[in-house]
Amino acid sequence: DIQMTQSPSSLSASVGDRVTINCRASQSISTYVHWYQQKPGKAPKLLIYAASSLQSGVPSRFSGSGSGKDFTLTISSLQPEDSATYYCQQSYSTPDSFGQGTKLEI
Amino acid sequence: QVQLVQSGAEVKKPGASVKVSCKASGYSFTSYNINWVRQATGQGLEWMGWMNPNSGDTGYAQKFQGRVTMTRDNSISTAYMELSSLRSEDTAVYYCARYDSGWFDPWGQGTLVTVSS
Repeated sequence: DIQMTQSPSSLSASVGDRVTINCRASQSISTYVHWYQQKPGKAPKLLIYAASSLQSGVPSRFSGSGSGKDFTLTISSLQPEDSATYYCQQSYSTPDSFGQGTKLEI
Repeated sequence: QVQLVQSGAEVKKPGASVKVSCKASGYSFTSYNINWVRQATGQGLEWMGWMNPNSGDTGYAQKFQGRVTMTRDNSISTAYMELSSLRSEDTAVYYCARYDSGWFDPWGQGTLVTVSS
C-alpha cells in the first residue's frame, strides 16, 4: 500500500502570508494526487485534482504542484476563511490513501 | 447541483450492524463509482471501499473485508454501506463520496455512527 506523509502536521500563519503544505508518497505516483480542505464539522471539499488542476469554484490563491513522490499545496495570500485541515490523497493504486492532515490556524 | 445526502446519526451496541444510505442527485447515478470514507473523532480520513452502481461490483479495504457490504438501489439513486460486528473503534463519521477519475467530489454531509453499550 502507498503511504502519504504530510508536513507539517500543523502550522500557524497570518492573513496575507504565503503558505505551503507538503505531501510525500512512499513510491512514485506520477500526478495522481488530490488535495482537500476540511473545516470542523464539515465534509472534506476538493481543492486541487491531478496535482495541479484547480477545482471549479475554488479561489485562485490555491495552487498545487509536484510529480513523482513530492507534492505541494500553496495558498498564495492567506485569508481568515482558510483556517482548516488540509489532506492529500493518492489514487495511483488501490487502496486509495490519505495523508494524516495538516491543521492550519490563522 | 450534484449532491449526496446521507441518512441520520445512529447509535448501536457492540456486535450490532449499521446501514448508512447515500442518496445522489444532479447527475447520472450509474455513471460514477461511490466510495466510502470514515473519520474517527479528531482523526484523519480512512478509505473503506468502492462500489460501481452500474455493475454492482465492489472493492473493500482489507481492514474491513468480511464486515462491510456496499450495495445500491438504482431506482432511487441510493447507495448503502453496511458494517457488521460493530465495536467501539468503529465510532466515527462515515462519508460517501462520488469518485471522479481518481478524486472524491462531492462528499455527503457525513453520518455519525456511535457504538456504545
